[in-house]
Amino acid sequence: GQNIDQPTEMTATEGAIVQINCTYQTSGFNGLFWYQQHAGEAPTFLSYNVLDGLEEKGRFSSFLSRSKGYSYLLLKELQMKDSASYLCAFGDSNYQLIWGAGTKLIIKP
Amino acid sequence: ETGVTQTPRHLVMGMTNKKSLKCEQHLGHNAMYWYKQSAKKPLELMFVYSLEERVENNSVPSRFSPECPNSSHLFLHLHTLQPEDSALYLCASSATSGETYNEQFFGPGTRLTVL
Repeated sequence: GQNIDQPTEMTATEGAIVQINCTYQTSGFNGLFWYQQHAGEAPTFLSYNVLDGLEEKGRFSSFLSRSKGYSYLLLKELQMKDSASYLCAFGDSNYQLIWGAGTKLIIKP
Repeated sequence: ETGVTQTPRHLVMGMTNKKSLKCEQHLGHNAMYWYKQSAKKPLELMFVYSLEERVENNSVPSRFSPECPNSSHLFLHLHTLQPEDSALYLCASSATSGETYNEQFFGPGTRLTVL
């Protein structure tokens, strides 16, 4: 079967670093996406990993280990505007996205 | 208009009403999607259209009826809905669907409440 799991909620402090983990199980894998969704707004694309390793994009980095079925999103120098839900999703063998329920990140001053 | 737009942004309807949600993309994409987003649940893919042909229908109840008249427009027709259908309905588009991955661009969603 297929499943994907990420923590429901995390809290971090402004200026700090936070890592949001995502684990998945699937027989057919075609890459992993991270999206950001502010309350009441549309999800917006953050990253796409199809090969193992770390992809860095400014304050945000995303890591993938296909053998472990594991990804994380790393946010550095946290800002209040980073308070949002972070959605991970993997591509299945039909090239459709299977979504996690999202991790609500709360940033405190 | 830029990106993906959706109307209405909010909709309240009774169980006997008929209404339609509209989505329009201005990105030149060939694939469009309808998702349902309920609180604390994963995004549920409802329908996918690629080049105006429906390619996915994930066992969605027949009270939801999609329509894709061209590659820029997507509708979701609603009739005799149930209170459990209350959710955020998101439309998305991407360059293509199938055999490759492309970033999906989402609209702001329609917040639907069924009384």
